[in-house]
Amino acid sequence: EVQLVESGGGLVQPGGSLRLSCAASGFMFSKNWMSWIRQGPGGGLEWVANINDDGRETYYVDSVKGRFTISRDNVQNTLYLQMNSLRLEDTAVYSCARSGTPGSVDHWGQGTLVTVSS
Amino acid sequence: DVVMTQSPLSLSVTLGQPASISCRSSQSLVSSAGGTYLNWFQQRPGQSPRRLIYAVSNRDSGVPDRFSGSGSGTDFTLKISRVETEDVGVYYCMQGTHWPWTFGQGTKVEIK
Repeated sequence: EVQLVESGGGLVQPGGSLRLSCAASGFMFSKNWMSWIRQGPGGGLEWVANINDDGRETYYVDSVKGRFTISRDNVQNTLYLQMNSLRLEDTAVYSCARSGTPGSVDHWGQGTLVTVSS
Repeated sequence: DVVMTQSPLSLSVTLGQPASISCRSSQSLVSSAGGTYLNWFQQRPGQSPRRLIYAVSNRDSGVPDRFSGSGSGTDFTLKISRVETEDVGVYYCMQGTHWPWTFGQGTKVEIK
């Protein structure tokens, strides 16, 4: 069974940093692209970043480029999202997801809440 | 960025009756390789989204066959042939053809 478990969320001040982790199990992590997707307080979904299977290719939504970094450890089966220079509008539940098919995500984690507030 | 526009944003349906959700993209979702990466997700209250349909019309394993997806180019539809209580939630379309991937606003389905 595919399992994705996020951790690392919390309350942070504007301008601060957080590192999210996503522990993956139940599938060949090293063979799958992975994504971070967030859901803001209003409920809308926003794709944040993708990383290819070997970690050499990354893609970001414009609003996080230069501030967020997606990475992975294919030995530890863990996906990461380093978030710097956090803004109020980054407040959301952040979920990792497996991209098991092209142009899609087929499994989501439960998410971890990031709150940016002074 | 590709803008995904869903309609209606809210749907109240009688149990056993059909429901239909439209999703339109601001540009064609046909990729250079020929695939069309249009997905549908269901989010039940308090749960993470669950994929129902990928590549326009492919139903995920375990998804009831009352759910179907159709469309092409810029115009797509999710249909529920007979709405059941467990179908209550918010439905999102998402395109994975163009970076950045983008979602529709969501359609809230409730039982009348």
